[in-house]
Amino acid sequence: AQTVTQSQPEMSVQEAETVTLSCTYDTSENNYYLFWYKQPPSRQMILVIRQEAYKQQNATENRFSVNFQKAAKSFSLKISDSQLGDTAMYFCAFMKHGGGNNRLAFGKGNQVVVIP
Amino acid sequence: DVKVTQSSRYLVKRTGEKVFLECVQDMDHENMFWYRQDPGLGLRLIYFSYDVKMKEKGDIPEGYSVSREKKERFSLILESASTNQTSMYLCASRGAGQGGTDTQYFGPGTRLTVL
Repeated sequence: AQTVTQSQPEMSVQEAETVTLSCTYDTSENNYYLFWYKQPPSRQMILVIRQEAYKQQNATENRFSVNFQKAAKSFSLKISDSQLGDTAMYFCAFMKHGGGNNRLAFGKGNQVVVIP
Repeated sequence: DVKVTQSSRYLVKRTGEKVFLECVQDMDHENMFWYRQDPGLGLRLIYFSYDVKMKEKGDIPEGYSVSREKKERFSLILESASTNQTSMYLCASRGAGQGGTDTQYFGPGTRLTVL
């Protein structure tokens, strides 16, 4: 079974600054997908960014970018120009490639608080 | 926009009661999931279903059952609620896209308190 580890339970960042969340995973698979999900205080979980393991280029979505290091099994999320609306729990998740009914494995989450 | 809805945002039940949590999605997704979320433990998968009338146990199925009679609806059942089932319950759905690349969408969650 795949395991996903997030080791920084709570982080604070000043508005407009940059924060980086770390995530490591353990797998013997070669093809897989990695995700970062965001859960704001309203509780609706939404997808932030997705990375396919076979792509070397790091994914970017506006102010969110990842640093994917396949050999190190590391998948960090960088939030640039932090905004108050970025305050949320952030979950890293892994899914192996293959059948459409594969399940996601989640880390335990990082709380990010953006301070005005 | 994909919508995943859950029948209640907040629910209070008594120990021993039978509890039904309902989840409905409107995107014709094959896969549906039930998770519980507890502080410090993240999301843990209870059950999932990849087709109508199909179900598979997740990591923590004990004390729960599920029902999927229609594609759009996935119900979580607590046969006899206990206080240790007090938690936030999240439903999710996902299409069975090629290689499973479809995005997984979540409902708003149900905060269940068992007294």
